[in-house]
Amino acid sequence: GAVVSQHPSRVICKSGTSVKIECRSLDFQATTMFWYRQFPKQSLMLMATSNEGSKATYEQGVEKDKFLINHASLTLSTLTVTSAHPEDSSFYICSARVGSGRGTDTQYFGPGTRLTVL
Amino acid sequence: GESVGLHLPTLSVQEGDNSIINCAYSNSASDYFIWYKQESGKGPQFIIDIRSNMDKRQGQRVTVLLNKTVKHLSLQIAATQPGDSAVYFCAESFYGQNFVFGPGTRLSVLP
Repeated sequence: GAVVSQHPSRVICKSGTSVKIECRSLDFQATTMFWYRQFPKQSLMLMATSNEGSKATYEQGVEKDKFLINHASLTLSTLTVTSAHPEDSSFYICSARVGSGRGTDTQYFGPGTRLTVL
Repeated sequence: GESVGLHLPTLSVQEGDNSIINCAYSNSASDYFIWYKQESGKGPQFIIDIRSNMDKRQGQRVTVLLNKTVKHLSLQIAATQPGDSAVYFCAESFYGQNFVFGPGTRLSVLP
């Protein structure tokens, strides 16, 4: 299957600082990537859809000025958590959509980034 | 047996037994479904998919069954192994768009 990487895998930062998380599709091009947030023992919560060359589409309730998404190329999307606070501590996961062109586009996920804000 | 945990339902099975994980999906128009496995501290991993024009699809030790009449999806794992312990999510979509994930089921394999 398609491989998606994330960097860093784990980050600890002080409150008020900004953190950037990278998501890369390693062996394919992804015009669309997704960013999810996951709290312990809960399902995936879609934050935003990142489209190459255009602005991201944010889900209701997600602050676009706080969670900046940039999809600069067909293999890279970044999520920047600005002015992070302890409540932003979570597991952030990206995925990339692999298109089949037959209505069976599949999402492949990265390994996730554990963010801890002190 | 099956029980509801803090947030995730949990299914406990003996090693070597077969596991059946169930998922109810919400949109009758959904035509493409995927099962993912998520181990602790890792991202979800694609297991198997099925289109709505099928009611069964088999992989290696896994089988997905689709019942569109009652909007129900199940994942069967044969001869469950300790390495199968994880959280399993189903996902539904329409024409590969707008994936919606289920709440997840934690599978615990007992020695």
